[in-house]
Amino acid sequence: RKEVEQDPGPFNVPEGATVAFNCTYSNSASQSFFWYRQDCRKEPKLLMSVYSSGNEDGRFTAQLNRASQYISLLIRDSKLSDSATYLCVVLHASGGSYIPTFGRGTSLIVHP
Amino acid sequence: SQTIHQWPATLVQPVGSPLSLECTVEGTSNPNLYWYRQAAGRGLQLLFYSVGIGQISSEVPQNLSASRPQDRQFILSSKKLLLSDSGFYLCAWSVLAGYTEAFFGQGTRLTVV
Repeated sequence: RKEVEQDPGPFNVPEGATVAFNCTYSNSASQSFFWYRQDCRKEPKLLMSVYSSGNEDGRFTAQLNRASQYISLLIRDSKLSDSATYLCVVLHASGGSYIPTFGRGTSLIVHP
Repeated sequence: SQTIHQWPATLVQPVGSPLSLECTVEGTSNPNLYWYRQAAGRGLQLLFYSVGIGQISSEVPQNLSASRPQDRQFILSSKKLLLSDSGFYLCAWSVLAGYTEAFFGQGTRLTVV
């Protein structure tokens, strides 16, 4: 089983739609969770951290369910500019460092 | 503010040639440093990470190596490239202590021909 699993998609939605992505992780000792966005042929960029109590940043809402070991990202009122790959990232301690492990990403295509 | 520089942006190398990719971080001390590779249509694979000068941990056995000669410099090398080494190589840093996010350089797109 992969450490971090995501549905690769693509999710093809119209502008204004609400879309949700899920991500599951296998390491129960994972401590921090993030969502990154990666545009085609570019480096990943931090979208938002995921807190235990859930958090919201504008149209984006992230949730964590430790018992079930999954995190989610909800995007409301989708814009064309939201088209990208969304990467789930899980952080755990190993060998004196903190290792970010990435999912393969979920592709989102927002169309007019 | 912290910045991370990675170069070159693109590279085309023949099979069997050596490789050296460099990454430097500014505006922070004692960062965790990481090298990832992303093959076409694949996820990010952690290759190496470092918690300090001269301290390198390898995640995946392969013909690549990494070195950290200075606190904020991380180098990825190979003596002889293989076709399978083609991919998008990303350097990243994070704060040494704590479960914090990682920040990426702009990446090097390597094509081995």
